[in-house]
Amino acid sequence: TQLLEQSPQFLSIQEGENLTVYCNSSSVFSSLQWYRQEPGEGPVLLVTVVTGGEVKKLKRLTFQFGDARKDSSLHITAAQPGDTGLYLCAGAETGGFKTIFGAGTRLFVKA
Amino acid sequence: EAGVAQSPRYKIIEKRQSVAFWCNPISGHATLYWYQQILGQGPKLLIQFQNNGVVDDSQLPKDRFSAERLKGVDSTLKIQPAKLEDSAVYLCASSLAGGRSEKLFFGSGTQLSVL
Repeated sequence: TQLLEQSPQFLSIQEGENLTVYCNSSSVFSSLQWYRQEPGEGPVLLVTVVTGGEVKKLKRLTFQFGDARKDSSLHITAAQPGDTGLYLCAGAETGGFKTIFGAGTRLFVKA
Repeated sequence: EAGVAQSPRYKIIEKRQSVAFWCNPISGHATLYWYQQILGQGPKLLIQFQNNGVVDDSQLPKDRFSAERLKGVDSTLKIQPAKLEDSAVYLCASSLAGGRSEKLFFGSGTQLSVL
């Protein structure tokens, strides 16, 4: 069974700080996705990375897929209170169609 | 565009009772998923439908959980009888075709508390 481990589990920072959260696995994934989930809502897709080494930017968020397609990172520049939420990485199983989720990083940005 | 609709939003039951959740996916989406999200964990896939056929139900506790998607549109997930460890948020999601790396659209979920 392919597993995704996310770190840190919880992060509390001040507005304006930078942060990086990680998603790691011992298995290769055909693609990785990052979702953000707010309390009482379902996850919402932020980005999908498919190619090893790929970097994608979404405003202040930068996503990177590892060269070996086993890990990914999410970097947020100048965090804002609106970035508060649960950040989930999800991987598409190789040889299958199941999407597996990590346990998430819970981010709290204080004003 | 209307999103994925789920009901009820909240449900409180006692152990050994039964409960059912309903999901209406985005119109035209062939694939429907039910996920279980226990507090502090990521969503775990329970069952995946492609139209009205089951693609994956390997993590569905079939002795107590059942799901159907009649006519390939909306779906119901049932638990009978419920256990304390079934307390979780049950998320329904849909996608256009179910292909690898496809975007999943989630509903707001049903929060189940089993007392």
